[in-house]
Amino acid sequence: DAGITQSPRHKVTETGTPVTLRCHQTENHRYMYWYRQDPGHGLRLIHYSYGVKDTDKGEVSDGYSVSRSKTEDFLLTLESATSSQTSVYFCAISEHRGADYEQYFGPGTRLTVT
Amino acid sequence: AQTVTQSQPEMSVQEAETVTLSCTYDTSENNYYLFWYKQPPSRQMILVIRQEAYKQQNATENRFSVNFQKAAKSFSLKISDSQLGDTAMYFCAFIHTGANSKLTFGKGITLSVRP
Repeated sequence: DAGITQSPRHKVTETGTPVTLRCHQTENHRYMYWYRQDPGHGLRLIHYSYGVKDTDKGEVSDGYSVSRSKTEDFLLTLESATSSQTSVYFCAISEHRGADYEQYFGPGTRLTVT
Repeated sequence: AQTVTQSQPEMSVQEAETVTLSCTYDTSENNYYLFWYKQPPSRQMILVIRQEAYKQQNATENRFSVNFQKAAKSFSLKISDSQLGDTAMYFCAFIHTGANSKLTFGKGITLSVRP
């Protein structure tokens, strides 16, 4: 299994509070992604990174920000959590080298905003 | 923009039988990869099989095989000799080759294997 960890694995927070989720990889992969998974929507891309300090928005980026100061860490921040951000969040990594375009996923973080 | 469509939200199959999960996609790209991911109740996303668009031969991984029809933009997954452990959500996904390309997922299908 690819070395990807997410922390925390579960979190309950109140509306209006800031929340930061962490993704850590030991594979030295260039690309890192944050997705959210909601019933009926599959996985939707929030933000992604194609290198240290290089990030871009995905399809559902409103209300989220990211940072990547080291190759191995990719942080997702909810500046002011809302109930609509209750979801399961997945981090993924990939390399985009040769024939390797698959993404490897972390175990997920279940976030509940009350 | 690429889209991936999984039109069946749920399917059920008897243990030891064969089931086929459908997926269609839309793209103007010529070079890309297609994937099927499995998500069991543990929530972990697991790669089941992948197909390179430039390969005409359908990919096979043990009991899992695909029927890749490039002209029709169809990518179905066949599971043979279904097992209880195959019960999961299955996602079809597409990515075109190139720097900074992004994976596009279908909405998934819930497969239940009956004992």
